[in-house]
Amino acid sequence: QQQVKQSPQSLIVQKGGISIINCAYENTAFDYFPWYQQFPGKGPALLIAIRPDVSEKKEGRFTISFNKSAKQFSLHIMDSQPGDSATYFCAADRGGTSYGKLTFGQGTILTVHP
Amino acid sequence: DAGVIQSPRHEVTEMGQEVTLRCKPISGHDYLFWYRQTMMRGLELLIYFNNNVPIDDSGMPEDRFSAKMPNASFSTLKIQPSEPRDSAVYFCASSDGRSLYGYTFGSGTRLTVV
Repeated sequence: QQQVKQSPQSLIVQKGGISIINCAYENTAFDYFPWYQQFPGKGPALLIAIRPDVSEKKEGRFTISFNKSAKQFSLHIMDSQPGDSATYFCAADRGGTSYGKLTFGQGTILTVHP
Repeated sequence: DAGVIQSPRHEVTEMGQEVTLRCKPISGHDYLFWYRQTMMRGLELLIYFNNNVPIDDSGMPEDRFSAKMPNASFSTLKIQPSEPRDSAVYFCASSDGRSLYGYTFGSGTRLTVV
């Protein structure tokens, strides 16, 4: 019940295209859903995050869509650029006494071709 | 702010030796987390602290692993004795426990046990 399932494992997109990565969870106690971007040799960097009281959050070219009833959330990268090529992780956490115990998806390797 | 600082960046050691990884969290963050990343298992939470007190160490793989946080600005993860299967990238992260974007990872320590 703690799992977060992420798909696809890898994704190839042309420059200017839309990249979409999906995640699904089971634990309805989760109330914090961040996305991390990781470049080779670096730590995961927090990209965008959402709480379940909103269905969508947009920051620049990055948008999280959240479907509470389906227990799914996704990351959309608009106008994808070669510099966006990285591994993306979704994660989930529940608050209260378990704050910070992020459960990560397995990651999606995104390649954006010029 | 310099972010979460980890040392060393790379560590190569022989099987059976003691290894100590170090972390300095972001000032003012009262949560500290240790993660391990491998290709097979992805990102796994090993242990986390709140106000220097270990809260959950259920992810620590076995007794060979230990972690301490003697003060708010320093934590160590120790492996004794080390084994080849401990080879991984170990990340430290810190959080303020409140803000949506307050969860920050360090650059990691790549550990190789030969």
